[in-house]
Amino acid sequence: GENVEQHPSTLSVQEGDSAVIKCTYSDSASNYFPWYKQELGKRPQLIIDIRSNVGEKKDQRIAVTLNKTAKHFSLHITETQPEDSAVYFCAARGGRGSTLGRLYFGRGTQLTVWP
Amino acid sequence: GAGVSQSPSNKVTEKGKDVELRCDPISGHTALYWYRQSLGQGLEFLIYFQGNSAPDKSGLPSDRFSAERTGGSVSTLTIQRTQQEDSAVYLCASSLDQGAETQYFGPGTRLLVL
Repeated sequence: GENVEQHPSTLSVQEGDSAVIKCTYSDSASNYFPWYKQELGKRPQLIIDIRSNVGEKKDQRIAVTLNKTAKHFSLHITETQPEDSAVYFCAARGGRGSTLGRLYFGRGTQLTVWP
Repeated sequence: GAGVSQSPSNKVTEKGKDVELRCDPISGHTALYWYRQSLGQGLEFLIYFQGNSAPDKSGLPSDRFSAERTGGSVSTLTIQRTQQEDSAVYLCASSLDQGAETQYFGPGTRLLVL
């Protein structure tokens, strides 16, 4: 099955700086890559996603890039704010057989933005 | 409209007891997923349903875990003879169908086994 690795596990940045979180996946059949933000005690919330036919997607201060050849994708947050502090999870969606539709998650990155 | 709901929000039980966790997906969503999140860990896939059938049960950690979904809507996850290592947040998610990409999560059930 799919294996998703996420780095770093913790990330501290100063307010206004950029933050980058990287993930790799193993199954070339995976075709959809969402990013979820989870604040303490809350449910994971989808913040951005990218499909395998696209290399980059932006939404205001958030962007995601995908390199299918290298099987890695990254989340970029610019002009970070304290409210960006949360745990961020990357995921890859299974693309074949019984794994179709199933999300494989990374272990998460605790992002802390210091004012 | 209403999102995914789960009950109870918190459950404290004694080792050896059985527990039932409930998930109510978004109305009209035919795909439903259960995940487990241990403290400081990522989301571990348990099982998913398309309608009432569960094509993939590979994530269930042991035969003490089972899940069912009747009527294509509400699902229950049952843990028999609970162990302390079962303590975690159990999250449910739903999507329009198996082919739909976006999964919407419920608030989770926080299970503590003493």
